[in-house]
Amino acid sequence: AQSVTQLGSHVSVSEGALVLLRCNYSSSVPPYLFWYVQYPNQGLQLLLKYTTGATLVKGINGFEAEFKKSETSFHLTKPSAHMSDAAEYFCAVTSGYSTLTFGKGTMLLVSP
Amino acid sequence: GAVVSQHPSRVICKSGTSVKIECRSLDFQATTMFWYRQFPKQSLMLMATSNEGSKATYEQGVEKDKFLINHASLTLSTLTVTSAHPEDSSFYICSAQPSGQETQYFGPGTRLLVL
Repeated sequence: AQSVTQLGSHVSVSEGALVLLRCNYSSSVPPYLFWYVQYPNQGLQLLLKYTTGATLVKGINGFEAEFKKSETSFHLTKPSAHMSDAAEYFCAVTSGYSTLTFGKGTMLLVSP
Repeated sequence: GAVVSQHPSRVICKSGTSVKIECRSLDFQATTMFWYRQFPKQSLMLMATSNEGSKATYEQGVEKDKFLINHASLTLSTLTVTSAHPEDSSFYICSAQPSGQETQYFGPGTRLLVL
């Protein structure tokens, strides 16, 4: 069985501030981890993913995430928030042989 | 690359009618496609997994006779909501998984409103 916990349904930051969205997972086998972003009334766009190899993964729009096995975490960060980053962010996990399990999502609010 | 389209983007229909939603992978072949439902301000709920040329696998609690899924080719899956009722109103999102890969790429979603 696998699960994802996203701490904080809402995160508010000022434009230019550090963005940190937390994701913890549980999986009985080595996981594949994903971050997706969803803008209002749109589908999900892949931000980045971890499968194997380097644990620090860089994605689109300046986002990155680090896979920490010891902490079972895959937190998403961005050094400087932009107004256009305001959206819903979903962390997801799969074993590769199972379906994708999503967290409940975190709404990122960016204020001027 | 890895573009998935959905059609229509939104549809309004009367109660009792059927609605078909198409999901296409535009630049890759997808052995597996998935259908999700998303309620306002909630996460995605997997409805079914669709494999090309075989019957779909439905998640527990999803009525297979109400939500008909067909995956006739490696680039097209359809979801038909039969005898739609107002409680079926929702945002339906499909995803497609390139053959041999673990990543799902999502369509833009279809907003269904049943009156």
